[in-house]
Amino acid sequence: GQSLEQPSEVTAVEGAIVQINCTYQTSGFYGLSWYQQHDGGAPTFLSYNGLDGLEETGRFSSFLSRSDSYGYLLLQELQMKDSASYFCAVRGDNYGQNFVFGPGTRLSVLP
Amino acid sequence: SQTIHQWPATLVQPVGSPLSLECTVEGTSNPNLYWYRQAAGRGLQLLFYSVGIGQISSEVPQNLSASRPQDRQFILSSKKLLLSDSGFYLCAWSVSGNSNEQFFGPGTRLTVL
Repeated sequence: GQSLEQPSEVTAVEGAIVQINCTYQTSGFYGLSWYQQHDGGAPTFLSYNGLDGLEETGRFSSFLSRSDSYGYLLLQELQMKDSASYFCAVRGDNYGQNFVFGPGTRLSVLP
Repeated sequence: SQTIHQWPATLVQPVGSPLSLECTVEGTSNPNLYWYRQAAGRGLQLLFYSVGIGQISSEVPQNLSASRPQDRQFILSSKKLLLSDSGFYLCAWSVSGNSNEQFFGPGTRLTVL
């Protein structure tokens, strides 16, 4: 089976930097993805890491360490609009055709 | 460009009634299709996925079923709804093969009373 763990909540102030961690257990690994979901909305794709290291996309960066089964999403220069839930996800054991999502981390950005 | 449609946006149904939620994708061919359910404040639970017409894989045993009658159409059904079926239902698609990105529809918020 597969499982992912994330902190349930994170709070930070505008302009700050926040890191959301994700640990995973999976027998077959095809990379780690991150999604953002605002209240009442649909998840949207943020980033993907297939290899170890840091991927940067604007204010957001994502890191992966396959040896530690660990990754994180780094959000810089936080803005109020970044308040949302963030999910890490891996592709599943069935030849990677299915996806398994973590429980999500709710980020609250305070003024 | 690709778009994904889901309807209805909201639905209130009595216990024991049937359900049919539809999802269609435009602008792509042979997508992988997915149905998820999300309880309030929780993560996404994969219910079904399909890699082709008529091919359905079920992740969680339940009173729901899925069908894919056409390449870009995915339907979620139930013969008799339970209270526990309430939730936010999301359809998603990805490029077939080794894609790591999913594209989600706007979702259907189902309340079973």
